[in-house]
Amino acid sequence: DIRMTQSPSTLSASVGDRVTITCRASQSISGWLAWFQQKPGKAPKLLIYQASSLESGVPSRFSGSASGTDFTLTISSLQPDDFATYYCQQYNSYSELTFGGGTKVEIK
Amino acid sequence: EVQLVESGGGLIEPGGSLRLSCAASGLTVSGNYMAWVRQAPGKGLEWVATLYSGGPTYYAAAVGGRLTISRDTSMNTLYLQMNSLRVEDTAVYYCVRLIRGGDVWGQGTLVTVSS
Repeated sequence: DIRMTQSPSTLSASVGDRVTITCRASQSISGWLAWFQQKPGKAPKLLIYQASSLESGVPSRFSGSASGTDFTLTISSLQPDDFATYYCQQYNSYSELTFGGGTKVEIK
Repeated sequence: EVQLVESGGGLIEPGGSLRLSCAASGLTVSGNYMAWVRQAPGKGLEWVATLYSGGPTYYAAAVGGRLTISRDTSMNTLYLQMNSLRVEDTAVYYCVRLIRGGDVWGQGTLVTVSS
């Protein structure tokens, strides 16, 4: 099984801050990593796929990067609408998907 | 508009059965890889099952043998048959189209397993 270790679990930040969330895979996933944003009571929303590709309609302040089995989601300038929980997900094989534990971005 | 709409959730006693439905519009369930993902109250996302367009199915170890994913092509609907339900199956269940990891999600349906 591929495990995804996401950190931090909670992050306090202010509007305008640069925010970074990391995710580490337990083995190679060949860049098949997605990032989702979820707000309370809502379904997750795809932000980034294939580690660094921006989903259509997602603001350009969101970006993703990869280095081996380490992945990063960056929000360049946090906006009020960005306070939410973020999840990474590996989809190296759709026969076994794995999510990270989530990062809640809170208002500082 | 591409849309997935789940239904069928509710309160069920431990050991009971329930069938969730996911009605698709703007996409065909038979032409896509589809999945169920669940989220227990206050917890993270957990993959449950995948149905490939060609037919193979895959399940998380925690649900294997109790939950069955299937589809009805004529109804363009995805299903999750849930048997021998346990308290730990309590969650919101989402239907997901597996493109780019998961580009389309339903709104979710809540299953509560409790006596």
